[in-house]
Amino acid sequence: QKEVEQNSGPLSVPEGAIASLNCTYSDRVSQSFFWYRQYSGKSPELIMSIYSNGDKEDGRFTAQLNKASQYVSLLIRDSQPSDSATYLCAVNRRGGNTPLVFGKGTRLSVIA
Amino acid sequence: EPEVTQTPSHQVTQMGQEVILRCVPISNHLYFYWYRQILGQKVEFLVSFYNNEISEKSEIFDDQFSVERPDGSNFTLKIRSTKLEDSAMYFCASTVGGNYGYTFGSGTRLTVV
Repeated sequence: QKEVEQNSGPLSVPEGAIASLNCTYSDRVSQSFFWYRQYSGKSPELIMSIYSNGDKEDGRFTAQLNKASQYVSLLIRDSQPSDSATYLCAVNRRGGNTPLVFGKGTRLSVIA
Repeated sequence: EPEVTQTPSHQVTQMGQEVILRCVPISNHLYFYWYRQILGQKVEFLVSFYNNEISEKSEIFDDQFSVERPDGSNFTLKIRSTKLEDSAMYFCASTVGGNYGYTFGSGTRLTVV
């Protein structure tokens, strides 16, 4: 069973729409969860972190966590063409400074 | 904003040669990591480093790999005898600790020919 799973996409949304990106993880005791954005040929860039069940909002981004369902999502409101990138879900299974485990990423394309 | 700096940005090497990839983590960060990403694949953990020693390593990080923090700022990854399958982007990352996410460097693209 894959540890962190994401739909590879591409997910295409029109400019101004809400993009919804999903991630599931296999290890029930995972403690912290991160969304990274990666433009082609570039390094991952941290967008959001979430540790508790529920929603966490930061500007146009909302992360949602449901530990019972082992599910993390990222909503991007008012999507812009500049949001077109691959979005990586990363999970810290054991907390603290143990290594992050990454999903393969979902490619998002925002159409102008 | 503080950055993690990696050099070189691109390295081409012949199979069997040794390469050293260099990183300067953010100055107040305490935990350092190397990850790699083969083209089209996911970001994979190689090794973590804390308090001048390896704290964890993956199955990928075999005897061909080593890490060092030769001075107070640099953090290096050495691949002793490169193979074709070592061709990838290598990312250094650091964090101040706790549950903060990592800051990644811009990466070194290693091409083994």
